[in-house]
Amino acid sequence: EVQLVQSGAEVKKPGESLRISCKGYGYSFTNYWITWVRQMPGKGLEWMGSIDPSDSYTHYSPSFQGHVTISGDKSISSAYLQWSSLKASDTAMYYCARRRAAGDWYFDLWGRGTLVTVSS
Amino acid sequence: QSALTQPASVSGSPGQSITISCTGTTSDVGAYDYVSWYQQHPDKAPKLMIYDVSNRPSGVSNRFSGSKSGNTASLTISGLQAEDEADYYCISYTSSSTLVVFGGGTKLTVL
Repeated sequence: EVQLVQSGAEVKKPGESLRISCKGYGYSFTNYWITWVRQMPGKGLEWMGSIDPSDSYTHYSPSFQGHVTISGDKSISSAYLQWSSLKASDTAMYYCARRRAAGDWYFDLWGRGTLVTVSS
Repeated sequence: QSALTQPASVSGSPGQSITISCTGTTSDVGAYDYVSWYQQHPDKAPKLMIYDVSNRPSGVSNRFSGSKSGNTASLTISGLQAEDEADYYCISYTSSSTLVVFGGGTKLTVL
């Protein structure tokens, strides 16, 4: 089955580091960019950044540049979103979604999301 | 503040039709036919409903249709059903450095 499987919910304290994952199944992982999207409680979707798994080229939203790091490992069809020092304001649901690399500009497959809670 | 403007809420009765607008600029919606629409039910992941302005993915009901005029794209849902109650988001390609821009979302209530 074609799917994106995200890692489980996390509860962290401010200042801690975190890496969450998104693994692709059932398709050629390097043919699709992976995008990370934030959704804060009760709010809309926000584009954080994207990665081309074929060469690990990344592209960040100015709003998130420097605050998170997006990486990938094509050998295991996985993409990652990481923080070096979490803040309470990072509490949100994080989705990964794929976009075909060949010039398509829509997200046809989404993961179920990873809920990150940051609280002291 | 989102780059694409959507109404915060719309409502309609079962069987009626509703339209959700998504207004951008000449750098995004107005310049490219790369507008897509997503449905999100509470505590669920978004689901692609329309891509490239007016195309429906396989499996999406033909009650959902998309169009564009100038800098505004629209999602129309005909024959409203209770299951259509959800949040809807538009996304567009943009010539700016971000490459994609999101709408703020519209809450559809089926009365």
